[in-house]
Amino acid sequence: DIQMTQSPSSLSASVGDTVTISCRASQSIGNHLSWFHHKPGAAPKLLIYAASNLHSGAPSRFSGSGSGTDFTLTIRSLQPEDFATYFCHHSHSRPYTFGQGTKLEIK
Amino acid sequence: VQLQESGPGLVKPSETLSLTCTVTGVSVTDGYYWNWIRQPPGKPLEWIGFIDYRGTTFHNPSLQGRVTISRDTSRGQFFLHLTSVTATDTAVYYCARLVYATSPYYFDYWGQGILLTVSA
Repeated sequence: DIQMTQSPSSLSASVGDTVTISCRASQSIGNHLSWFHHKPGAAPKLLIYAASNLHSGAPSRFSGSGSGTDFTLTIRSLQPEDFATYFCHHSHSRPYTFGQGTKLEIK
Repeated sequence: VQLQESGPGLVKPSETLSLTCTVTGVSVTDGYYWNWIRQPPGKPLEWIGFIDYRGTTFHNPSLQGRVTISRDTSRGQFFLHLTSVTATDTAVYYCARLVYATSPYYFDYWGQGILLTVSA
């Protein structure tokens, strides 16, 4: 199975800051990577697919980059609703796997 | 498009876990793959498997044949059955739609999840 490792596991920031979250795959996955925003008790929301494509309805302050094994999610000008957990997911091959999540907290 | 999980909150060890995902806004026979995913407490999400628009299923080999995924197209529902459950099956279970028409594939809609606890 392909292992997905996210860093950091938690992060503190303020409204208006820019933050980056990394996801590393244990083998090359091309651009088969998605990023999600998740709050407890709610449905996860797709932000980015195909490593860098912004999903319709996701705010433009979210962007993704990378290919192969190293990927980054960048959030510019943090808004209060952005404080949540973010996780990555690969769809390169089955079984699909997920990163362990990055919890973004208000400083 | 909305997905909603339903089922018992508690299952006894060695019994079978049964969950339902009700899909609205699209037919389960449209060109998507319908998935089950779970997250045990303190652990990453784990993909369980899917049933596609044709009714073909595939599941994660890590679950060692305990998984059955089925559907009722007339009701717009698909189901998860997991046999011989143990405490390690305690998790929040999600259903999600996988866009498979173009590569790369991605989950675009999820349910809010349902907590299922395995305990005597």
